[in-house]
Amino acid sequence: DTAVSQTPKYLVTQMGNDKSIKCEQNLGHDTMYWYKQDSKKFLKIMFSYNNKELIINETVPNRFSPKSPDKAHLNLHINSLELGDSAVYFCASSPRTRGRAFFGQGTRLTVV
Amino acid sequence: AQKITQTQPGMFVQEKEAVTLDCTYDTSDPSYGLFWYKQPSSGEMIFLIYQGSYDQQNATEGRYSLNFQKARKSANLVISASQLGDSAMYFCAMREGIGEAAGNKLTFGGGTRVLVKP
Repeated sequence: DTAVSQTPKYLVTQMGNDKSIKCEQNLGHDTMYWYKQDSKKFLKIMFSYNNKELIINETVPNRFSPKSPDKAHLNLHINSLELGDSAVYFCASSPRTRGRAFFGQGTRLTVV
Repeated sequence: AQKITQTQPGMFVQEKEAVTLDCTYDTSDPSYGLFWYKQPSSGEMIFLIYQGSYDQQNATEGRYSLNFQKARKSANLVISASQLGDSAMYFCAMREGIGEAAGNKLTFGGGTRVLVKP
């Protein structure tokens, strides 16, 4: 009964490719996020969606495009992948205005 | 300026002993929340404990307690009776403001790696 699930768990791809990571939460939360964890383990928010509406976009390159078809899903599409995109990407969700974030298990993206 | 600072990149602790992980934060917002997450080697982010800026009491959750010193802007995590399974990265995080405008985003510190020795 996974609360926040993201797929795939591992993704290895070549530079220049386009890839997507999917995220689904079954907690009934209104807010979903994408975080990026770099090789030094630093975690930084990329996007935040509230009930399908984008509310935070933290100076992420245009090659990254989140899509929220409904409030339970938040997918991340990445165009023209670069070596520097290699990282672990975490999806998370939380109640609308407060409460802790529940994280997915992460997707380790390796661009070669 | 860093909003969340964890000054200990790594530390060793003897099994069954207590360990304190430091976290200082910087905000001018009177409403904020402080969180600690654990990330074991398997990679998932596990919520440990939460402290709200208006909470009068220090938060406790089992072996975890948060030493909240508001005037000093510190929110140290204390793990009592360390176990081998406590070996992990520990992240302090802050959410500033309340309401939808705040976006509810978490700002993370750089983390502290803890290794529990038997």
